[in-house]
Amino acid sequence: ETGVTQTPRHLVMGMTNKKSLKCEQHLGHNAMYWYKQSAKKPLELMFVYNFKEQTENNSVPSRFSPECPNSSHLFLHLHTLQPEDSALYLCASSHMDRASVYQETQYFGPGTRLLVL
Amino acid sequence: SQQGEEDPQALSIQEGENATMNCSYKTSINNLQWYRQNSGRGLVHLILIRSNEREKHSGRLRVTLDTSKKSSSLLITASRAADTASYFCATEPYNQGGKLIFGQGTELSVKP
Repeated sequence: ETGVTQTPRHLVMGMTNKKSLKCEQHLGHNAMYWYKQSAKKPLELMFVYNFKEQTENNSVPSRFSPECPNSSHLFLHLHTLQPEDSALYLCASSHMDRASVYQETQYFGPGTRLLVL
Repeated sequence: SQQGEEDPQALSIQEGENATMNCSYKTSINNLQWYRQNSGRGLVHLILIRSNEREKHSGRLRVTLDTSKKSSSLLITASRAADTASYFCATEPYNQGGKLIFGQGTELSVKP
């Protein structure tokens, strides 16, 4: 256990559905991240939240909408996804300085395996 | 283009042998980290090495960093079947805290 939990662990949705992924960290960190891992591709950073403020949006389509209500919780709202969005979605957290100049180790959750039909 | 590229892409060895994986990157970094992933699960952090460090050890793991060559290596000594996993290097670009850039990884298979 890394101290980062994700729910659900598996999700199947149609292209017209709306669903949300949830991430919770119990490590007292102030930064949280969403990554996408597709088959045969490197992990792709999607979003970064530092002190609840979004500091990075890595050109992610608007059908992915993040929400960070507090430093322990992170959501990824999904709507009108495409089959190519099927992937493993990983959440991570770390301690980061306020200037976002450096961070410590990132701790990852187990991921949500998403299948879009 | 990718920041971190691992070599080899796949490695198969016998238990007890050493496994060496290499990582190359392109830009200046704050630090370089190695992670392990078992079969579609979350990533587990192994070692973080800062840009002013050259070598780090953790149990059977040894990581080196050569900033002049922009490369790092991960050595696993006396490998075990339980070491079978994918290993990723990730770099944090200089002054861009939070922006970890991952390579495609090395798939290590350790046969009993």
